[in-house]
Amino acid sequence: DIQMTQSPSSLSASVGDRVTITCRASQSISSYLNWYQQKPGKAPKLLIYAASSLQSGVPSRFSGSGSGTDFTLTISSLEPEDFATYYCQQSYSTPRTFGLGTNLDIK
Amino acid sequence: EVQLVESGGGLVQPGGSLRLSCAASEFTFSSYWMHWVRQAPGKGLVWVSRVNGDGSSTNYADSVKGRFTISRDNTKNTLYLQMNSLRAEDTAVYYCAREMQTGDVSTRHFDLWGRGTLVTVSS
Repeated sequence: DIQMTQSPSSLSASVGDRVTITCRASQSISSYLNWYQQKPGKAPKLLIYAASSLQSGVPSRFSGSGSGTDFTLTISSLEPEDFATYYCQQSYSTPRTFGLGTNLDIK
Repeated sequence: EVQLVESGGGLVQPGGSLRLSCAASEFTFSSYWMHWVRQAPGKGLVWVSRVNGDGSSTNYADSVKGRFTISRDNTKNTLYLQMNSLRAEDTAVYYCAREMQTGDVSTRHFDLWGRGTLVTVSS
């Protein structure tokens, strides 16, 4: 199985900050990498697929990059509604493993 | 409205069984692979199982293999998860999710999720 390692596990930031979350795969997964946002008590929401494609309706302050084993999710300028937990997921093979998540909270 | 709605969760004793359902609306259900993902209280997302469009191919996480069975009824637009021999560590919110592919296979992603159903395994 492919293991996904996210860092940091938690992050404190302020509105307006630029934030970067990283995800590393245990083997090369090309660009088979997705990012989800989850708020407490809610289902996950797709932000980015195929490493860098922005899901329809997602604000352009979210962006993704990377290929192979190393990936990043960047939020260019944090808004109050962005404080949530973020997960990466590989879709290269089954099982479709997730990272353990990055909890982004308000500083 | 395009949506997924889970049901069937509840409190069950260790060793018991439960069947979850996921009703799909307003899309061609049979065209999509479907997945179950779970989330234990305060923990992260964990992939559980998937089934292909016609139900002929399935996969499971090692932690549930031999105990859980995924299936679908495309005439009823419904996905199922039969859970047997339940353990305390199966306690979680269970989500169903649709896998979308927009062109190349590298674009596979979970674009539609249900709201989840809570399964609690406890005596």
